[in-house]
Amino acid sequence: VLTQSPGTLSLSPGDRATLSCRASESVGARYLAWYQQKPGQAPRLLIHGTTSRASGIPDRFSGIGSGTDFTLTISSLEPEDFAVYYCQQYGSSPFTFGPGTKVDIK
Amino acid sequence: QVLLQESGPRLVKPSGTLSLICSVSGGSTRSVNLWSWVRQAPGKGLEWIGEISHTGTTNYNPSLKSRVSISLDKSKNQFSMTLTSMTAADAAVYFCARELSRQWPYYEYGMDVWGQGTTVAV
Repeated sequence: VLTQSPGTLSLSPGDRATLSCRASESVGARYLAWYQQKPGQAPRLLIHGTTSRASGIPDRFSGIGSGTDFTLTISSLEPEDFAVYYCQQYGSSPFTFGPGTKVDIK
Repeated sequence: QVLLQESGPRLVKPSGTLSLICSVSGGSTRSVNLWSWVRQAPGKGLEWIGEISHTGTTNYNPSLKSRVSISLDKSKNQFSMTLTSMTAADAAVYFCARELSRQWPYYEYGMDVWGQGTTVAV
């Protein structure tokens, strides 16, 4: 089971966003991914393997973590970054998603 | 550029069967990638449904396992999902997606290409 915190993060453009994903059991670093989803759109892969940015993802997005605790950081929020963010684990099937963190404009 | 497009009914009757197809363009279902289905109920989070490999090996979410089936049609370059005994709880946007290559030398996990999603009501 994945839990994400906070549920909602209210920030301003230019702020730093720190999103947490916690697993109930240890997840190998290779098996943790992060997605961004905007209303009415499909999710977009941001990070795979805990730290690797997917193709075309700007370097303001970074991931870190190990074991049961993982973090997605957006170093300086751009207007297009306000969205919902999900983590997903591939450590054990079913490959569950966390409940999401909504980053909205303060 | 790989593109995915879901197709299927927008409305299914209670106790009926949902059948969705995901058409792949710009890429091949014969590749080593796996192909997945994910759904999202209105106002809710993402739920992983299952996946299929290029060899036809499947892996399903146990919460749906008795009702879901995923298949691959390499000749048509598409994969499909069937969900039986539909209820109101199955109303959702259904997405198909391509998985990163989990084989040597990549060993990567994540869904890097997604369809736009198709809304299904029950």
